Amino acid sequence: QKEVEQNSGPLSVPEGAIASLNCTYSDRGSQSFFWYRQYSGKSPELIMSIYSNGDKEDGRFTAQLNKASQYVSLLIRDSQPSDSATYLCAVFNNAGNMLTFGGGTRLMVKP
Amino acid sequence: EPEVTQTPSHQVTQMGQEVILRCVPISNHLYFYWYRQILGQKVEFLVSFYNNEISEKSEIFDDQFSVERPDGSNFTLKIRSTKLEDSAMYFCASEGPPTDTQYFGPGTRLTVL
Repeated sequence: QKEVEQNSGPLSVPEGAIASLNCTYSDRGSQSFFWYRQYSGKSPELIMSIYSNGDKEDGRFTAQLNKASQYVSLLIRDSQPSDSATYLCAVFNNAGNMLTFGGGTRLMVKP
Repeated sequence: EPEVTQTPSHQVTQMGQEVILRCVPISNHLYFYWYRQILGQKVEFLVSFYNNEISEKSEIFDDQFSVERPDGSNFTLKIRSTKLEDSAMYFCASEGPPTDTQYFGPGTRLTVL
């Protein structure tokens, strides 16, 4: 059974702070890793993808991957109230040809 | 920017009725997916579709479900005899070159009464 685990939160941070979101996965065959943002009642919106160990930066977002520890994280710098949403970690395994999602972490950025 | 579209945005049906959910994937994409999300729960994979056939399906995707790409642009999900527990948001996603990233449509909210 392929599992992706996230702390459900809510994670509350003040505006301007760094938000740190974490995700672990069980399938060592996983090859691609994604962070999606989901506002209430809306569809998942891609934020970042990461494929190799290390860090990947895109604007205020940094994704980190450690395949040995089966761990993915997302850092959001200078958090804004508009970043308040549920952040979904998703893992893709080519053998399974599907995304497996975590339950999401609800982020609240307080002005 | 190209995007995945889905219709209808909300479908209400009686238990036992058939529903068809429609999706128009991004035009040059080759892989198509259906996911569902029951209120308050995880996004769950249903089925993937490539080269006009199912490439993978989950345990949820039983004989009541079918998918089709009838005309080269639409991608449909049919539920033959809906149950109360089929009530959920249904998301279509497509994936294509140059990346392996899946882009999601806005979803169809299915309510089974």
